[in-house]
Amino acid sequence: EDQVTQSPEALRLQEGESSSLNCSYTVSGLRGLFWYRQDPGKGPEFLFTLYSAGEEKEKERLKATLTKKESFLHITAPKPEDSATYLCAVSTTGNQFYFGTGTSLTVIP
Amino acid sequence: SAVISQKPSRDICQRGTSLTIQCQVDSQVTMMFWYRQQPGQSLTLIATANQGSEATYESGFVIDKFPISRPNLTFSTLTVSNMSPEDSSIYLCSVTDLNTEAFFGQGTRLTVV
Repeated sequence: EDQVTQSPEALRLQEGESSSLNCSYTVSGLRGLFWYRQDPGKGPEFLFTLYSAGEEKEKERLKATLTKKESFLHITAPKPEDSATYLCAVSTTGNQFYFGTGTSLTVIP
Repeated sequence: SAVISQKPSRDICQRGTSLTIQCQVDSQVTMMFWYRQQPGQSLTLIATANQGSEATYESGFVIDKFPISRPNLTFSTLTVSNMSPEDSSIYLCSVTDLNTEAFFGQGTRLTVV
């Protein structure tokens, strides 16, 4: 059964304290893995797409990596404005699209 | 990229009534999805709406409660029928071709009283 799992559910960091969010997936065939940021009351905002193991993408303080089983979203020296829920999603060769449950990140000044 | 316009952005409805949410895309897309996001929760897929065929519903969601229309490749509607307070949620429309990221509308915040 296709599955996408994110951990931790919630993460509190001090400003400047780097950390990583995890997205583990078990799917029949991966087309792409996507990271989104969601602020309260808004729709998800696209961050990155990763298509193959070993691929990495960076944007400001965020870096996404992909292996055959999981993806990490690394946050370097986070700021309070990075506080949000981060969602991972996968699309499959079976024409399905799945979201993980998200990680709620709080960065404390 | 795709730009999605979703209406209404919010509504407060009486118990037992129905609300139809519209989703308009600025380009033709094959796959459209409707999600529900309850307070503090992640996205839950309600159904996949493909043009020219019946929508495909996920477990726990039925057509009588959430009828969907997809008259063409740029438009879809989701109706929340016979509403109860448990239907209070954010409803999101999304599109993707599966090879690229999914794009989202801003959502419809529904409160049922």
